[in-house]
Amino acid sequence: NAGVMQNPRHLVRRRGQEARLRCSPMKGHSHVYWYRQLPEEGLKFMVYLQKENIIDESGMPKERFSAEFPKEGPSILRIQQVVRGDSAAYFCASSPLGQRSSYEQYFGPGTRLTVT
Amino acid sequence: AQTVTQSQPEMSVQEAETVTLSCTYDTSESDYYLFWYKQPPSRQMILVIRQEAYKQQNATENRFSVNFQKAAKSFSLKISDSQLGDAAMYFCANNAGNMLTFGGGTRLMVKP
Repeated sequence: NAGVMQNPRHLVRRRGQEARLRCSPMKGHSHVYWYRQLPEEGLKFMVYLQKENIIDESGMPKERFSAEFPKEGPSILRIQQVVRGDSAAYFCASSPLGQRSSYEQYFGPGTRLTVT
Repeated sequence: AQTVTQSQPEMSVQEAETVTLSCTYDTSESDYYLFWYKQPPSRQMILVIRQEAYKQQNATENRFSVNFQKAAKSFSLKISDSQLGDAAMYFCANNAGNMLTFGGGTRLMVKP
């Protein structure tokens, strides 16, 4: 059973470009979470999605950031017009049930975004 | 809102010795879980141990155990017989809501 897949692993963008980060959850998992980790900090929640639904986006910046989890295909975190402050590691996690269960979240290897 | 605090930015332990990493949290939920994750230099997040808040018994996984003090909202991780491979960042986390809330991390160094 393959784990959570994220691609690309490393992404370099110039200021003003768009960044698209992809996450394929573990087989059988229908809940996806995105987190951001700034250098020397812990992970910060961004958004929680189920198939075709955004359940909780309380951690998402109001502008330039969006996320989706379509019926078919991976979840996408999209950052428009990137700025240097967006440079971070972005982690995706998945779970088979919602958070109010005993299942932990399984993390992907992360995408390191560097904005030049 | 949930908060998780790790007051030790760095810890050091001699190989084969025991070390304890501290974590305190704050939540208004009555039903929640606590986790310790390990993040080695590869940056992969690896679950070390999980504690369910309604269980009084402290969780144990091989050389890893926790001291869960619910009233004090404290959740420390004890690593026994430390090994060089234990060197990593360790994050405490709470999942009382729709998300995991992480502490700032403790960098553990293991001396040979």
